Amino acid sequence: QVQLQESGPGLVKPSETLSLTCSVSGGSISGIYWSWFRQPPGKGLEWIGYIHYSGSTKYNPSLESRVTISVDTSKNQFSLMLSSVTAADTAVYFCGRGGWSIDYWGRGTLVTVSS
Amino acid sequence: EIVLTQSPGTLSLSAGEGATLSCRASHSIDSKYLAWYQQKPGQAPRLLISGTSGRATGIPDRFSGSGSGTDFTLTISRLEPEDFAVYYCQQYGGSPYSFGQGTRLEIK
Repeated sequence: QVQLQESGPGLVKPSETLSLTCSVSGGSISGIYWSWFRQPPGKGLEWIGYIHYSGSTKYNPSLESRVTISVDTSKNQFSLMLSSVTAADTAVYFCGRGGWSIDYWGRGTLVTVSS
Repeated sequence: EIVLTQSPGTLSLSAGEGATLSCRASHSIDSKYLAWYQQKPGQAPRLLISGTSGRATGIPDRFSGSGSGTDFTLTISRLEPEDFAVYYCQQYGGSPYSFGQGTRLEIK
């Protein structure tokens, strides 16, 4: 059974960089696309972007200037970096398996942007 | 950008009844690129349907999807207590991939 687990700071200061890692267990990260999403408290879901295990990426144009998604196949992990954060970036961040429909999700991690 | 509009916003029904949830797209979507998810409070979304009508692994057959072009439907026959949740449609036919705002299915 594939499992995903997000990890990273739960509090980030405005203008700094949010950094999260998704650890994959129960299966290899190779050969598959992997995605990041977020959900502000009480609101709907937003696609952030995806990465192929080979390293190719696709980002939401609204976030593209601030987002970097990377993969570390040796650790079976992929990561999200979001720069110059503001309060509007406060959300639960989810990682998932797939580049389109997502069949496995992490449980999500709340990241709050506040000084 | 493709905007997905779900209706109704809230649906109040009783267990045992059937539910019909709608997802309308601002532009036509290839039916291969439409999915439905269920989300309960404090949990991640759960994939129900991909490619408009293909049930994901382990999803009961009381869940079915249909539609084409700009109009898509998730039908739940014979609601079970565990089906009361928020449902989202998602399109991945055009970037940015997007979700509807959700339909809350609540117990009447």
